[in-house]
Amino acid sequence: EAGVTQSPTHLIKTRGQQATLRCSPISGHTSVYWYQQALGLGLQFLLWYDEGEERNRGNFPPRFSGRQFPNYSSELNVNALELEDSALYLCASSLTGANEQYFGPGTRLTVT
Amino acid sequence: QQQVKQSPQSLIVQKGGISIINCAYENTAFDYFPWYQQFPGKGPALLIAIRPDVSEKKEGRFTISFNKSAKQFSLHIMDSQPGDSATYFCAASSRRGSTLGRLYFGRGTQLTVWP
Repeated sequence: EAGVTQSPTHLIKTRGQQATLRCSPISGHTSVYWYQQALGLGLQFLLWYDEGEERNRGNFPPRFSGRQFPNYSSELNVNALELEDSALYLCASSLTGANEQYFGPGTRLTVT
Repeated sequence: QQQVKQSPQSLIVQKGGISIINCAYENTAFDYFPWYQQFPGKGPALLIAIRPDVSEKKEGRFTISFNKSAKQFSLHIMDSQPGDSATYFCAASSRRGSTLGRLYFGRGTQLTVWP
């Protein structure tokens, strides 16, 4: 069974640009979660989507947004990139209502 | 504020020894406590998890001990192996309110097992 996949693996952007990160959940999973793993800050919850709806949001500014598509894949958009947005962005998926979250390999975003 | 506190930050253990990582939490609404293992360049992998209705859960060489009254839980790795060298994260989540669906992670413990 294929795990959670994310693309691209690496992304280099300039401050002020926009970044789009993509995630495909495990087959059968309808919930997708996004986390930011920045050096020294650990894993921070960003967003949770389930059945196409945003269900919860972490303490991040509105320039962090996303969506979930009918096939349950998801996209994270970061607008007006700042240097401190440089981090590993992790996507996880779960069955609806399940606690267990399974993570993908992440997208390394570097903002210069 | 840090909802889950993890210690130690780093741990060095001899091959065959026991590795112990501790976590503490404040929010009594938390009802699910997983541990994740992360190797460099990889995403975290779910290792083992426990709910507060049991005090211990064992899977192979990995055991979670849970103390509900103290709001603490710990991971024990028996017979530690060099292949266990990784960063370990504890986490907690709740099915209620604004915390629904989100995992709160500890800061991580970098484990090194010497051969």
